[in-house]
Amino acid sequence: QVQLKESGPGLVQPSETLSLTCTVSGFSLTSYSVSWVRQPSGKGPEWMGRMWYDGDTAYNSALKSRLSISRDTSKNQVFLKMNSLQTDDTGTYYCTRDRGLWVSGGFDYWGQGVMVTVSS
Amino acid sequence: DTVLTQSPALAVSPGERVTISCRASESVSTGMHWYQQKPGQQPKLLIYGASNLESGVPARFSGSGSGTDFTLTIDPVEADDTATYFCQQSWNDPTFGSGTKLEIK
Repeated sequence: QVQLKESGPGLVQPSETLSLTCTVSGFSLTSYSVSWVRQPSGKGPEWMGRMWYDGDTAYNSALKSRLSISRDTSKNQVFLKMNSLQTDDTGTYYCTRDRGLWVSGGFDYWGQGVMVTVSS
Repeated sequence: DTVLTQSPALAVSPGERVTISCRASESVSTGMHWYQQKPGQQPKLLIYGASNLESGVPARFSGSGSGTDFTLTIDPVEADDTATYFCQQSWNDPTFGSGTKLEIK
């Protein structure tokens, strides 16, 4: 069955870099795209960026200068790196299977999420 | 960015029909999707493409709309439907609404 699992540190110092890994199973990264979505406590989710099935990437314009998404298809992993973290980057970070744009889009599978706190 | 506006909260009784609305700041055609999120859980996709029921989702859930105005309907509502419901568009770079918290009285 389709599964996604996030891993990474729960606590990051202000101004430091966040590194998260999403390990997927049950589908191929060369057939489906994966997006990172974050959610501050009590607020709506925010799309961060996408690793397309063909290896291309797309980023939220508000985060583009700080964000990098990459993958290792041999390990079924997608990586997120975001630098210059501040306290308003605190929240739960999810990786999702992304069906792409337009009518057939939507995020149909989600990981359990990893809670990230930015604090000294 | 396309801004999605939802009313913050609703309260209904079991067995009633409830409609949750979402308005987009610009047309997204039918590139609108709906999610249910219960406390402590990840969002779950209910409806995609404005009106298509995701596999495994009860037929009590339905969606409608196009352009800028969309609706999620639950009929009849059950106690287990207590959750926050988010709309999300994929016509442009994805954006989410701020959510509608549904309380079952």
